[in-house]
Amino acid sequence: QQPVQSPQAVILREGEDAVINCSSSKALYSVHWYRQKHGEAPVFLMILLKGGEQKGHDKISASFNEKKQQSSLYLTASQLSYSGTYFCGTEWGDDKIIFGKGTRLHILP
Amino acid sequence: DGGITQSPKYLFRKEGQNVTLSCEQNLNHDAMYWYRQDPGQGLRLIYYSQIVNDFQKGDIAEGYSVSREKKESFPLTVTSAQKNPTAFYLCASSPGGQVNEKLFFGSGTQLSVL
Repeated sequence: QQPVQSPQAVILREGEDAVINCSSSKALYSVHWYRQKHGEAPVFLMILLKGGEQKGHDKISASFNEKKQQSSLYLTASQLSYSGTYFCGTEWGDDKIIFGKGTRLHILP
Repeated sequence: DGGITQSPKYLFRKEGQNVTLSCEQNLNHDAMYWYRQDPGQGLRLIYYSQIVNDFQKGDIAEGYSVSREKKESFPLTVTSAQKNPTAFYLCASSPGGQVNEKLFFGSGTQLSVL
């Protein structure tokens, strides 16, 4: 069963902030976040491990709420290069990573 | 440079034909994965392998087969039993097979049916 991502799509102007959510129906061990440009391979953003930690670099960060079985990706002061589809991948203690359907993000100049 | 290579980039399949997608990595990674991507569906796991000579089914394994005879290679065969094979196929690997390690993706193979 895939994790549920929301929203499905977002349109922003450059400089605006965005939040992408990822919810799981089962207890999470880890959450991966990737960004994919059209026709290209997904690119790794970060992994969050069981424990509720928040990680980030530059203007992209994420949180992991173990109790709520969800993770959120935060994009602040968005840049044109942030456009793409964002996927969360969840691991439930069974050594495989299951991805959500993705959130399409489009940044307007 | 180390990386993960998928070939071919584009592949066409005729009705009733089996086709094989290649995935090779020179990163010395233990784990390898195959995902299928359809528009609006995200990445769905077909098969994965944590170690040589062993692999497990993912969520949509029907109509597909794999082998892991060598650490660096994990080919995917799309059989004639897969009735809707048109999709973008992505291969990935990770270092030690631990899921708290990031996935390295290949550039993908677009498979279409003639």
